[in-house]
Amino acid sequence: EAGVVQSPRYKIIEKKQPVAFWCNPISGHNTLYWYRQNLGQGPELLIRYENEEAVDDSQLPKDRFSAERLKGVDSTLKIQPAELGDSAVYLCASRREGALQFFGPGTRLTVL
Amino acid sequence: QKEVEQDPGPLSVPEGAIVSLNCTYSNSAFQYFMWYRQYSRKGPELLMYTYSSGNKEDGRFTAQVDKSSKYISLFIRDSQPSDSATYLCAMMVQGGSEKLVFGKGTKLTVNP
Repeated sequence: EAGVVQSPRYKIIEKKQPVAFWCNPISGHNTLYWYRQNLGQGPELLIRYENEEAVDDSQLPKDRFSAERLKGVDSTLKIQPAELGDSAVYLCASRREGALQFFGPGTRLTVL
Repeated sequence: QKEVEQDPGPLSVPEGAIVSLNCTYSNSAFQYFMWYRQYSRKGPELLMYTYSSGNKEDGRFTAQVDKSSKYISLFIRDSQPSDSATYLCAMMVQGGSEKLVFGKGTKLTVNP
């Protein structure tokens, strides 16, 4: 079974620029998560989707971050405009009902 | 006080040593306890999980949960250089948001 796919793997942008990350979850996994992992820290949840519905976005900074999961499969996380403090690894994870989460390789974002 | 506390190390041991990794937590509602392994520039990989209290063994790895002390451990026997990675503990409340709460991670190096 293919794992969670994320792209791009690395992204370097200047502050105030927009950026988008893409995630393709494992086939059949209805729940999708976006996490942010700062250097030397554990991942922190940004948003959780059940199919196409965002059911927990309480930790998503809504002034600059947005996410969507059209058709309940792939998902995109966007930052506009990016700030220096957004430099981190953005991880996508997915799971099927009743099972545990599997993580993708992450997108490493550097904001200059 | 953070919900989950984990000594970030780093921890350096010789090959063949027994490694002990630990986390403490404050939320008594946590029921699922996981250990993830994260290699450099990779996403977290589920290593072991335990439901409620007790021990679980898988090859060279043993996970222990002591809910009365709010303390979990991961033991690695006969450590190998390939075990060199960051180990993240994670916890989850049963039902509800299915949100994983991670520790900071402990960076382990096993020297040949």
